Amino acid sequence: GESVGLHLPTLSVQEGDNSIINCAYSNSASDYFIWYKQESGKGPQFIIDIRSNMDKRQGQRVTVLLNKTVKHLSLQIAATQPGDSAVYFCAENPNSGTYKYIFGTGTRLKVLA
Amino acid sequence: DGGITQSPKYLFRKEGQNVTLSCEQNLNHDAMYWYRQDPGQGLRLIYYSQIVNDFQKGDIAEGYSVSREKKESFPLTVTSAQKNPTAFYLCASTLGSGELFFGEGSRLTVL
Repeated sequence: GESVGLHLPTLSVQEGDNSIINCAYSNSASDYFIWYKQESGKGPQFIIDIRSNMDKRQGQRVTVLLNKTVKHLSLQIAATQPGDSAVYFCAENPNSGTYKYIFGTGTRLKVLA
Repeated sequence: DGGITQSPKYLFRKEGQNVTLSCEQNLNHDAMYWYRQDPGQGLRLIYYSQIVNDFQKGDIAEGYSVSREKKESFPLTVTSAQKNPTAFYLCASTLGSGELFFGEGSRLTVL
C-alpha cells in the first residue's frame, strides 16, 4: 500500500464515539478552507468546506469549526465508523488570487472496533 | 461522470529517464495543479495553470516540466534532473476559489 501517512499524528477512537481532528492554518488572510479524507493509495476526497465569514458548518455526520482569532480549524465526526479510518488534512486558500492552496500535514484516524 | 483521470497509477523509472504523467479533466475547470505527496508532509505544489497556454512554477518545480495546450489536459514530465522523484503525484483542478478536485494519483518509483 501507499506509504503516505507514515509519521503522521494518529488519533485512535472507538467505533461509535465522536472524533475531533484539528488543524492550525498559517495565513490570517485565508478566506476558504476545506477538509479532505485520503485513504491509502487514493486521491483526497472532499469532506466539507467553510468560508471565513462563517464559524461553523455542518454536513452529514461532520461539522467544521473555524476560529479565526487563533487560526484554528477543526473537523468533528459524529458516531465514527470503521469506514472513517483514513488520513484527514485541511487546506486553506490564502485569497492571493492565484488559487494556491496550502495544505496541512494530516492526521491519521484509526477506528477501533 | 465528471472527474479527473490520472494515468498511469503506477510507474517505474530508471535513472536518467524522463517520464510523463497524464492528467485529464472533464469538469470544464480553468485551473489545474500538480502536487507531490511524501510521507509525513503536506502536499507540495509543483506547477499550476490558471488558463490554457499559461502555467506557473510552484514551490518545488525544479526537475519537472508541464504543458497546457488544452483546457482538459495538464501533463507533468518528471525529468532526469529531479534527483528524488519517488513520490505520489496528485493532479487537481478547480473552477476558482472553491473546491479543489483531485485525481486518484500516480505512484512513481525510481529503480
